[in-house]
Amino acid sequence: SQQGEEDPQALSIQEGENATMNCSYKTSINNLQWYRQNSGRGLVHLILIRSNEREKHSGRLRVTLDTSKKSSSLLITASRAADTASYFCATDSSYKLIFGSGTRLLVRP
Amino acid sequence: NAGVTQTPKFQVLKTGQSMTLQCAQDMNHNSMYWYRQDPGMGLRLIYYSASEGTTDKGEVPNGYNVSRLNKREFSLRLESAAPSQTSVYFCASSVVQGAEAFFGQGTRLTVV
Repeated sequence: SQQGEEDPQALSIQEGENATMNCSYKTSINNLQWYRQNSGRGLVHLILIRSNEREKHSGRLRVTLDTSKKSSSLLITASRAADTASYFCATDSSYKLIFGSGTRLLVRP
Repeated sequence: NAGVTQTPKFQVLKTGQSMTLQCAQDMNHNSMYWYRQDPGMGLRLIYYSASEGTTDKGEVPNGYNVSRLNKREFSLRLESAAPSQTSVYFCASSVVQGAEAFFGQGTRLTVV
């Protein structure tokens, strides 16, 4: 089974709202990463948070990591229609990048 | 600077045929990966290469072989294609294992 599991599987919000998606994983990690995938395209790296970090920001993105709960969350603030995509967490465990099943985000104009 | 380039972009195979998916990166990365993505699902790791000269199995290696030809190139071979291998295949690279990965645009493979 996959290391990371995202929740929810799908999310629909209005433009301007915030979007929060969560990722849970099973084993200890070196870092956790978030990626975006537009329909039918390759994945694009968004942000990396190391296991000794608790929170990280990049533009409108905020990522938190709780290693005691083996979970992470990605917050996208002030969402735009262009944020419509699938979002995946990936854990670096034993130096292999293992991906979760993803959250499909729809931002309605 | 092309990043990660995969060829072909699309392929249809008959059951039992063989083929090789090619991947090349021009970022001088040490690590390279092959993933498959089935409809509505995440990526599953097939094989990876931590550095030139090494390859290791990922989550779903059965039915596949890989070759790390040199630092730039990492190919994936299907010896006898099966319908269950119908998927989108992504190649990725990173400067070292576990670092930010850069992805190719994918190869859409259909096995009939």
